[in-house]
Amino acid sequence: RKEVEQDPGPFNVPEGATVAFNCTYSNSASQSFFWYRQDCRKEPKLLMSVYSSGNEDGRFTAQLNRASQYISLLIRDSKLSDSATYLCVVNKASGSARQLTFGSGTQLTVLP
Amino acid sequence: GAVVSQHPSWVICKSGTSVKIECRSLDFQATTMFWYRQFPKQSLMLMATSNEGSKATYEQGVEKDKFLINHASLTLSTLTVTSAHPEDSSFYICSASQLPGLAGGGTYNEQFFGPGTRLTVL
Repeated sequence: RKEVEQDPGPFNVPEGATVAFNCTYSNSASQSFFWYRQDCRKEPKLLMSVYSSGNEDGRFTAQLNRASQYISLLIRDSKLSDSATYLCVVNKASGSARQLTFGSGTQLTVLP
Repeated sequence: GAVVSQHPSWVICKSGTSVKIECRSLDFQATTMFWYRQFPKQSLMLMATSNEGSKATYEQGVEKDKFLINHASLTLSTLTVTSAHPEDSSFYICSASQLPGLAGGGTYNEQFFGPGTRLTVL
C-alpha cells in the first residue's frame, strides 16, 4: 500500500465549478500535512498546510481527519489558472528528519 | 521568500557518463537539503537527505555509490549521477530547509524547492 494515496484523476471541470480532492495516508504517526501544487515540468509549490480544525485560504479549503487518516482539498469558483496537479503531502515522523512523502498527485484541468 | 536554484535546468548526456547537478539556497542557509526524483506521471520520490558537513542518508533502494551527494556548505549541495544509463533519465529536484536550532526539536520547517533538472541519458 502506498504511504499517501490520491485519486489520479484527471478532473476536467468548467470554470466556476467547485471541485474536491481526497487523499489518505497510512502512517498514523504522521505529524504535518500539506497540499502542494505542481505545474507541468515545474517544481512543486506549497499551496497550504492542513490542520485538524480545517483551514481556508481564499477559494481553497483544506480538511484533515486524523481518525480516518484522510485529507481533503476543496476548490471553489475554479479558475483556468487552477489547472495543475495537486499533490497531497505528509511529513513523516522520523526522529529529527523533516521528510516529506508525496502522493502521486491529482490532475485538474479547468475548462473555459 | 526563500529561493533555491538548480543548475543545469536540463542536460542530455551519453550513457556511461557522469552528470553533476548543483542545488543552491540563494538567500538563506540550508542546514538540510533533500534530493528527489520524479518519473513521468509519478510522485516525487525522496532519494536522500543531506545535512551540511555530514554524509547523506539514502532512502532504501537508492544506490549511494551511483548517486553521490556532497553538501559541503550551508548554501550548496551537489548530486552526481555516476555512469548514467537511460533508466536514470528523470526529473531531479532538490529542496532546502532551515531546521530549528535545537536538534530534533521544533516544528516543521518548510522545504523550498529548486526548479528541477531534467536529465536525459541517451
